[in-house]
Formats: sequence, C-alpha cells, structure tokens
Amino acid sequence: QEQVVESGGGVVQPGRSLTLSCAASGFTFSAYVMHWVRQAPGKGLEWVAVIYNDGSLKFYSESVKGRFTISRDNSKKMIYLQMNSLRVDDTATYFCVRDGDAGWSPLGVNWLDPWGQGTLVTVSS
Amino acid sequence: QSVLTQPPSVSGAPGQDITISCTGNSSNIGANYNVHWYQQLPGRAPKVLLYRYNNRPSGVPDRFSGSRSGTSASLVITGLQPEDEATYYCQSYDTDLTSLVFGGGTQVTVL
Repeated sequence: QEQVVESGGGVVQPGRSLTLSCAASGFTFSAYVMHWVRQAPGKGLEWVAVIYNDGSLKFYSESVKGRFTISRDNSKKMIYLQMNSLRVDDTATYFCVRDGDAGWSPLGVNWLDPWGQGTLVTVSS
Repeated sequence: QSVLTQPPSVSGAPGQDITISCTGNSSNIGANYNVHWYQQLPGRAPKVLLYRYNNRPSGVPDRFSGSRSGTSASLVITGLQPEDEATYYCQSYDTDLTSLVFGGGTQVTVL
C-alpha cells in the first residue's frame, strides 16, 4: 500500500543540527509533491515545508525559513529535512506527508495523504 | 494563534448531529482556496477526512460532510458515533503567508 515512513528523530541540544528522513513506497514517488508537517506536544498541526516533484521548487513556513532545508532523492524514493540552529520551540513530532494528488498543482490545491507515523524531535539542553 | 479558527471542543450524544466551524479570512478560505479536513485519533497520525470541501476518500462514512460559505467552512457529522471521538483539523492555503495553514483543532467528545 501507499505509505511513508519517517526516521531520524531524537534528542538534540539547542543550536545543533539534525536531519530527518522519509522513505516512500507503494506509489510513483517522482509524480508527487511532498511535505513536512509538525505537531508540538499537545498542540495542533503546523505545516513546515514542501518540495515539488523534481526538487526544483521548495517553500517553507516563516518559522523555519533560513534554518531548515527540504530535499529529495527520487532514485531512492526519499525526502529529507535538514534542521539547523534548532530551538526549543522546534520540539515536535514531524510528519512526512504526500500530496493527495499526483502531478504539479499550486500549493494548497491538494490535500495531504497519506501521513507517516511521525518522528519525535526533542530540542533540550 | 492559528490562522484558521476552530472551536476547541464540541460534544454530542450518540446519534446527534454536530457541526465544527473553521473561520478564515479573505486571504485563505475567502479567496476560494480549497479546504480539507483531517481526523486525528488519540496517539495516531492525522488522516484525511474530506478533501476539497466535501469529497470523501474511500472508506470515510457518508455521515461526514463539508461545506463553505464566504470566509468559513464547516464539517458536519450526522449521527455521531463513539468511534468519532477524535480531534478534527481544517486546512487551507493562505496567500499572504504563502503557506498551508491549519485550524487549531477541535476535540470531539461523544457523551
């Protein structure tokens, strides 16, 4: 079935870096836009970043712009989130999510599906 | 503070109908950007419930429906079931922020 699986979470000190990975399976990976969404403990959902099919277009939320970098490797069916200068308020479960429809669409047209199970990032000294 | 405003909680007895509102503004819902709804069961990842206002993925019961009016959208659960206890999020796009935006989430309790 179509699924995405995150990995790479853990405990990291403020100011340090961490890279999350997401492995996709069960669908034509290169045909889909991919996202990262996060959820702080006990809080709501926050969109983080998006990368388009060939990796040429990337967009970020204001809260992570300049610190986080999204990338993808279509040959490996993977996306990544390089997180630098981590802050305490970056503590969250990070979900890898696929665009609900294949192809290129403006941001927001499509829904987000499927979601991975999430990987927890804790930023603490 | 979320860009899209949802009530923090809604409750109802089994069989009752409930409505969850999602209020935005002229830069998101009011600008005709699509609204999607997600259900998050306790301890689980969110899953899409309705996409593009009122389209149900396969497997989602038809007691879930959605609509839009002006700068707001609504999710209606008709005939509430115990398994509907979850947190529900609306999601759209904001042209001023150039980002996807979510509502703060609504916790549904079945009494």
